[in-house]
Amino acid sequence: AQSVTQLDSHVSVSEGTPVLLRCNYSSSYSPSLFWYVQHPNKGLQLLLKYTSAATLVKGINGFEAEFKKSETSFHLTKPSAHMSDAAEYFCVVSDRRTSGTYKYIFGTGTRLKVLA
Amino acid sequence: DSGVTQTPKHLITATGQRVTLRCSPRSGDLSVYWYQQSLDQGLQFLIQYYNGEERAKGNILERFSAQQFPDLHSELNLSSLELGDSALYFCASSEAKTAYNEQFFGPGTRLTVL
Repeated sequence: AQSVTQLDSHVSVSEGTPVLLRCNYSSSYSPSLFWYVQHPNKGLQLLLKYTSAATLVKGINGFEAEFKKSETSFHLTKPSAHMSDAAEYFCVVSDRRTSGTYKYIFGTGTRLKVLA
Repeated sequence: DSGVTQTPKHLITATGQRVTLRCSPRSGDLSVYWYQQSLDQGLQFLIQYYNGEERAKGNILERFSAQQFPDLHSELNLSSLELGDSALYFCASSEAKTAYNEQFFGPGTRLTVL
């Protein structure tokens, strides 16, 4: 079965400094990978996705992620954090099942805190 | 705004009761997915419908059921509620038949079972 591991449950950065949120996955197939963001009391919003095209994926709000097959990683980065980036971030792998259907497998989330 | 709507926003009920959560997908999306988010279990996939038919099943309890109607809105029915069913329930929608691509999430329904 496929799985996804978010290596940090909490990350704190100062405003204007780089952000790195780490995600490792395991997959027997060519996976689809996603990063979603959840602001307090809101639904999940797609930041970016990897579906076997370019390995460096650019998303919204200045975020990007690099798919590294050799390291089975899909880390999320942003060059300069903004106060509005404070939220919970979920790494998601799309799991292909034996039935041929797919389902999302969510990481446990990383709560990003941005300090003024 | 994702274009996915969910009602109600909050629901408070007692153990043993039954509730219905409603979801309207984005215009044109044929797939609806239901998820449960709780502190101890995290985000879990419950069930997917595509164009009115059940497409994939996840960790959905037998006390829970769902359906998708001809107008593509979906309902999640939770019965014989237990304290542990308290959670945030999200629905999401997508164009595709499979969960290989992105999904668009609604704002969620927060269920509290007392």
